[in-house]
Amino acid sequence: DADVTQTPRNRITKTGKRIMLECSQTKGHDRMYWYRQDPGLGLRLIYYSFDVKDINKGEISDGYSVSRQAQAKFSLSLESAIPNQTALYFCATSDLNRGNTGELFFGEGSRLTVL
Amino acid sequence: QKEVEQNSGPLSVPEGAIASLNCTYSDRVSQSFFWYRQYSGKSPELIMSIYSNGDKEDGRFTAQLNKASQYVSLLIRDSQPSDSATYLCAVKGVPSNTGKLIFGQGTTLQVKP
Repeated sequence: DADVTQTPRNRITKTGKRIMLECSQTKGHDRMYWYRQDPGLGLRLIYYSFDVKDINKGEISDGYSVSRQAQAKFSLSLESAIPNQTALYFCATSDLNRGNTGELFFGEGSRLTVL
Repeated sequence: QKEVEQNSGPLSVPEGAIASLNCTYSDRVSQSFFWYRQYSGKSPELIMSIYSNGDKEDGRFTAQLNKASQYVSLLIRDSQPSDSATYLCAVKGVPSNTGKLIFGQGTTLQVKP
């Protein structure tokens, strides 16, 4: 089983719908991140969290919200989806308590299509 | 100017050749640099990290860092078809204790048998 699990893996929805992407991890890491990937633009950070009480905006947070329900769970919501939010979304974790390696552990990705 | 820039490619090399992937970054205070490999349809995985000027070797991979020129590169020796993937350059963002990384757009490498 994957250490960082994302659900759903694929989702097609319509403009204006509310969508939630969920991420859970069994690595025991404190830090969790949501990135989106678009062709030609690489990975861009949406939100990140140090723990359940610490949520921070990334470079492209507009139109998104997050919830850190527990150390192991970090959800991304699109309150009213729009077509330009069509992308591949990755959840990632890291553990800086083990040294500043900079390694992120990624989930398998959630492909979202907004029609 | 993007914070981390890469040539999107594709970069095509014959099997056995050296593949050279390049990356420039804009923030002079950056201290930590990473190369991730992403196979088509898969998630990125870390293959190299480098923190000091110079070269760092790991098997067929060599990362090179030149902070004065704000330039980091990845060399892959004896390229194999299994190296065909997108390579993402990443720089640790500020403040560094957040762990967040800033990624380039990635370079697609094609190794032809």
